[in-house]
Amino acid sequence: ILNVEQSPQSLHVQEGDSTNFTCSFPSSNFYALHWYRWETAKSPEALFVMTLNGDEKKKGRISATLNTKEGYSYLYIKGSQPEDSATYLCALWGYGQNFVFGPGTRLSVLP
Amino acid sequence: KAGVTQTPRYLIKTRGQQVTLSCSPISGHRSVSWYQQTPGQGLQFLFEYFSETQRNKGNFPGRFSGRQFSNSRSEMNVSTLELGDSALYLCASSLAETGSHSPLHFGNGTRLTVT
Repeated sequence: ILNVEQSPQSLHVQEGDSTNFTCSFPSSNFYALHWYRWETAKSPEALFVMTLNGDEKKKGRISATLNTKEGYSYLYIKGSQPEDSATYLCALWGYGQNFVFGPGTRLSVLP
Repeated sequence: KAGVTQTPRYLIKTRGQQVTLSCSPISGHRSVSWYQQTPGQGLQFLFEYFSETQRNKGNFPGRFSGRQFSNSRSEMNVSTLELGDSALYLCASSLAETGSHSPLHFGNGTRLTVT
């Protein structure tokens, strides 16, 4: 059974701060990695789909990197805004498996 | 373009009953997958359907079953409900045949409470 970990579990930052969090996974069983943002009372929204080692993706102030050899992905948020407050989930698609989601990082951006 | 629609939004059932949840994917999406979220747990994969065929099943007891219709709409059924089945059930659809390289589009979920 694949195990996907995310750290930290939760994070409080001030508006304007930049922040980052980590998704760790078994490097031997990688096929694709997804990042999702899940705001309270809404449904999870896809941020990035990453498949290649060294991938870097960007969407506005949010970016992500992928290292499949060492089994981690970083999500960065530059200049956090209150509307960035959400739980950020990563999901691994491993060979022969379906999606395994991490427990998420809950981000609170204080105005 | 309409998003993924799940019905009902809320359900209250008693132990031993059965329940059916429905999911209508985004038009053109043929892959539908189901997830369970319980307090303190991440999203747990239940099963995935593509073109009416179940392609993968998660580690859940046989009380959990599903199906997909020719119009790609999917239903999930839980029989002999237990208190531990109380959870948010999310459905997601995907454009690609294999969801790995295509983002999941989630519905708003069905909140099931078993008393």
